[in-house]
Amino acid sequence: QKEVEQDPGPLSVPEGAIVSLNCTYSNSAFQYFMWYRQYSRKGPELLMYTYSSGNKEDGRFTAQVDKSSKYISLFIRDSQPSDSATYLCAMRVTGGTSYGKLTFGQGTILTVHP
Amino acid sequence: GAGVSQSPRYKVTKRGQDVALRCDPISGHVSLYWYRQALGQGPEFLTYFNYEAQQDKSGLPNDRFSAERPEGSISTLTIQRTEQRDSAMYRCASSLGRGSEQYFGPGTRLTVT
Repeated sequence: QKEVEQDPGPLSVPEGAIVSLNCTYSNSAFQYFMWYRQYSRKGPELLMYTYSSGNKEDGRFTAQVDKSSKYISLFIRDSQPSDSATYLCAMRVTGGTSYGKLTFGQGTILTVHP
Repeated sequence: GAGVSQSPRYKVTKRGQDVALRCDPISGHVSLYWYRQALGQGPEFLTYFNYEAQQDKSGLPNDRFSAERPEGSISTLTIQRTEQRDSAMYRCASSLGRGSEQYFGPGTRLTVT
């Protein structure tokens, strides 16, 4: 079983829809949680960053972390065709030699059609 | 400013050959990371450096894989005696420090025939 599980989709929604992307994880030592966006033939780019449990909002994007359930989510409001990409969740621990190591989910392919 | 650069962008090699992949991080970034990304998968951690010191190499699959960063800037990932299963996108990332945002390069697509 992988440390981080993410439904690969693909997910196809109409423009303006609310999108929900999710990941579950098994390592309780993870404290930092990230969402990356990856456009086709490009490297991943950091979208949202959350420490421990709670919510964080940035424009149309909201990241949620529920450490008790080992479950994280990314919500996209008023989705746009330009949001079409692969969304990757990533996590890391707070200390030790693995401090810099990111553990990624498989990625969810999202298409927003006009 | 310039982002993370990697070379070559594409590499085709025959099974059994050695390959060297290069990463040039963002200027001033102390930490440098190597990941491998298979098609349809998320990046998988290989190793990372703080300055020239290799901090964690737990993700290197076997002893055919090695990495160095001798002057704390450019890094080379070397794969010896390549096998078909080594075919993947190899991505480099760098950050100001080991807990900071990681910026990814465009990757090197390695194909072993």
